Amino acid sequence: QKEVEQNSGPLSVPEGAIASLNCTYSDRGSQSFFWYRQYSGKSPELIMFIYSNGDKEDGRFTAQLNKASQYVSLLIRDSQPSDSATYLCAVNVRGAQKLVFGQGTRLTINP
Amino acid sequence: NAGVTQTPKFRILKIGQSMTLQCTQDMNHNYMYWYRQDPGMGLKLIYYSVGAGITDKGEVPNGYNVSRSTTEDFPLRLELAAPSQTSVYFCASSYLGGGISNQPQHFGDGTRLSIL
Repeated sequence: QKEVEQNSGPLSVPEGAIASLNCTYSDRGSQSFFWYRQYSGKSPELIMFIYSNGDKEDGRFTAQLNKASQYVSLLIRDSQPSDSATYLCAVNVRGAQKLVFGQGTRLTINP
Repeated sequence: NAGVTQTPKFRILKIGQSMTLQCTQDMNHNYMYWYRQDPGMGLKLIYYSVGAGITDKGEVPNGYNVSRSTTEDFPLRLELAAPSQTSVYFCASSYLGGGISNQPQHFGDGTRLSIL
């Protein structure tokens, strides 16, 4: 099992709909969870982080964490064409100062 | 505010050549990281550093070397370039590491390296 696994894309969503991106992780001791957005040919940029079970909202973005199920998700409401990008899930490594990244999910918002 | 600066942006190497990818940050961050990203894939950690003089291996360190003589600089060295090292390389830094009270990692623009 991969340490951090994301739902395989590409994911296509109509404009204005909710995009749902999922991520599972293997280390139960992980405490910090991040979502990065990466436009084609660009570097990753942080859009959300979450530490506690439950939901965290920031504008159109909501991160959801369920530590018991080892599951973290990102919801994008009112999807816009500018949300089209690859979304990377990252999880901290327990006891070490580093992150493990998933393989990414490519999201396309169709006008 | 420069953030994390990587040079060069593009490079083509021949098999067996060596080169150094430069990374410097002006945010006084203690933690620095080198990743590689192959097409359609996520980021793989090559090496990281928690402070000047301290480095550690990541997931894919073979074929690479690093040093951290100052807080600002964290160069990545390829000694004998191989086609398998063709990739995009990202340098990142953060104030704290990956723990519960961590700060986000800030990424440079990347170096696109081709080995032919």
